[in-house]
This record gives sequence, C-alpha cells and structure tokens, in this order.
Amino acid sequence: AQSVTQPDIHITVSEGASLELRCNYSYGATPYLFWYVQSPGQGLQLLLKYFSGDTLVQGIKGFEAEFKRSQSSFNLRKPSVHWSDAAEYFCAVVHTGGFKTIFGAGTRLFVKA
Amino acid sequence: NAGVTQTPKFQVLKTGQSMTLQCAQDMNHNSMYWYRQDPGMGLRLIYYSASEGTTDKGEVPNGYNVSRLNKREFSLRLESAAPSQTSVYFCASSEASMNTGELFFGEGSRLTVL
Repeated sequence: AQSVTQPDIHITVSEGASLELRCNYSYGATPYLFWYVQSPGQGLQLLLKYFSGDTLVQGIKGFEAEFKRSQSSFNLRKPSVHWSDAAEYFCAVVHTGGFKTIFGAGTRLFVKA
Repeated sequence: NAGVTQTPKFQVLKTGQSMTLQCAQDMNHNSMYWYRQDPGMGLRLIYYSASEGTTDKGEVPNGYNVSRLNKREFSLRLESAAPSQTSVYFCASSEASMNTGELFFGEGSRLTVL
C-alpha cells in the first residue's frame, strides 16, 4: 500500500535561515507528488507538484522540492524563511488514477525572530 | 470565487445524535472528497466521489455515509455520532485527471462529539 512518511513532527528555524522538510514515500510506480501548506484554521493549499520531467520543481512562495527516485524522497526547501511561513506542511502522493491522495502526518514549522 | 464551501464551520453533538456536513464547489470539478484531520495523523480519506452519481469508500468510512447530490454538492452524514468522530472535516474537489490530481480544500468543519 502507498504511504508517505514525514519524519519530523515539528521544526523550528530562525527567520532568514534555510529550510528543508523531509518526505519519503512508498509507492510501486512513479508517483505524483505534492506539497500542501495549512495555515491555522484554514484548509490546505497546494505549494507545488511533481508529475514527471525535471526533478527539481518550483512552487509558490519561493518553495522548491526535489524528487529523488533512488531515495524515494521529495524534500521541500526554501532558501530564506519568512515569519509568514509558519504553518503545517503536508507531503502527499496521488494514487494511480488520481482519485486517492495519501497524506503524510505533517510537519509543523515554527519560525523564530 | 468561493471555491469549496463547507457548512457548518463548528458543531457540537451529543453521542448518538446525527448530523450532515454540507459541501459545495463552484469550479465544475468532477471529483469530490471528504477527509478528516486528527493531530499527528495527517488527513485520512473517508469517502470520495470520482464523478457525479458515484461514491466510494476511502480509508476510514465506518460510521459515515455520503451523498453526491449533483455535480456541485457532496454531503457527509453521521448517523449516530461517537466521541471518536471528534475531528476537523475537510471537503475537497479536483479535476482528478491524470494530469492534475491537485485538491482544492474548503476551510474545514470542526466537530466535537460529547
């Protein structure tokens, strides 16, 4: 069965520092991979997605992610974190056929001044 | 654009009571979903509707029923609420073609069962 693992429950970074959130997936074929962000009291919003092609994908708000097939990973990065990036981040994989999205447990990001 | 609209946003029930969560989308999407979110568990799929007229079980369907009323609306019903159903419920929609899979979410409905 497909699964998504986000090893870090929460991460704290200083404003202006770089960020990397980890995501590993288990899937039998090349997956469709996503990162979503959830601000407090809100629904989830898509940050970026990977379907095929270039393994480094750019998203909104200055985020990027790199697909590494050999490591079954899809880590999210940002060069310089802003206080407004404090939120919960979810990695997700889409089941074949596009009807079932499996989410990781999420990583909560705290940003300190 | 409203996107995905859920009602109510908050609800408190007593064990055994029933209620329906409503969801409507105005993006002409074919597929709609109900997820529940619990701390440390991410989002888990309850039911989904790939297209108007069809519904299927997700990971955690027990205790819930759904109705795809038309292309716009997808409701979730709790027939006899239990404390284990205390959660935040999210409705989502998507084109669900092989080229997208992106989900668009409502703002959530927070349900407490006493």
